[in-house]
Amino acid sequence: GIQVEQSPPDLILQEGANSTLRCNFSDSVNNLQWFHQNPWGQLINLFYIPSGTKQNGRLSATTVATERYSLLYISSSQTTDSGVYFCAVPRSNDYKLSFGAGTTVTVRA
Amino acid sequence: SQTIHQWPATLVQPVGSPLSLECTVEGTSNPNLYWYRQAAGRGLQLLFYSVGIGQISSEVPQNLSASRPQDRQFILSSKKLLLSDSGFYLCASTTPGGPYEQYFGPGTRLTVT
Repeated sequence: GIQVEQSPPDLILQEGANSTLRCNFSDSVNNLQWFHQNPWGQLINLFYIPSGTKQNGRLSATTVATERYSLLYISSSQTTDSGVYFCAVPRSNDYKLSFGAGTTVTVRA
Repeated sequence: SQTIHQWPATLVQPVGSPLSLECTVEGTSNPNLYWYRQAAGRGLQLLFYSVGIGQISSEVPQNLSASRPQDRQFILSSKKLLLSDSGFYLCASTTPGGPYEQYFGPGTRLTVT
């Protein structure tokens, strides 16, 4: 099945810093999702981004499907950005997602 | 977009006791529904998947079962809980026919003692 790798596994930021999270996948995909899992466990949809670039406030994402990677940018980080960020892509021809192991982000005040 | 409800939010159960977790979905009809489990500090493991009433696919053999008695209701059950069933259980939904953007409920934190 499709493999999803995220890097780095852990990231510690000072409040106000910018960062980039990366998601590599092993096969071509027709969609990709980024999620933020907050400290209470809730998985929040950040982006549904099969290709191209999208922005939502201080967050933006770029997917280059032909090169099998996606990037999530966090600008001017805040303590509320702390949590685990997951990317996920669909497995082969079904509706199920394969998740990466996540990047744990800690933003310090 | 869809809204997914799960209850209970937290649950502490003794080993050997039964389990029933419920998930309901608003905002879409005939959704594809999913149960995931997340162990502490780990990623998400897909447990069950359903495309319609009474249609359940199991991803991994285990002590759990799932049922879908109504279009927008998905239930996770066990007859006898094991310590290894502890974890964070998440229900998710996608709209049939696409786009297959997956939405998650708030989760149930289960501790088996």
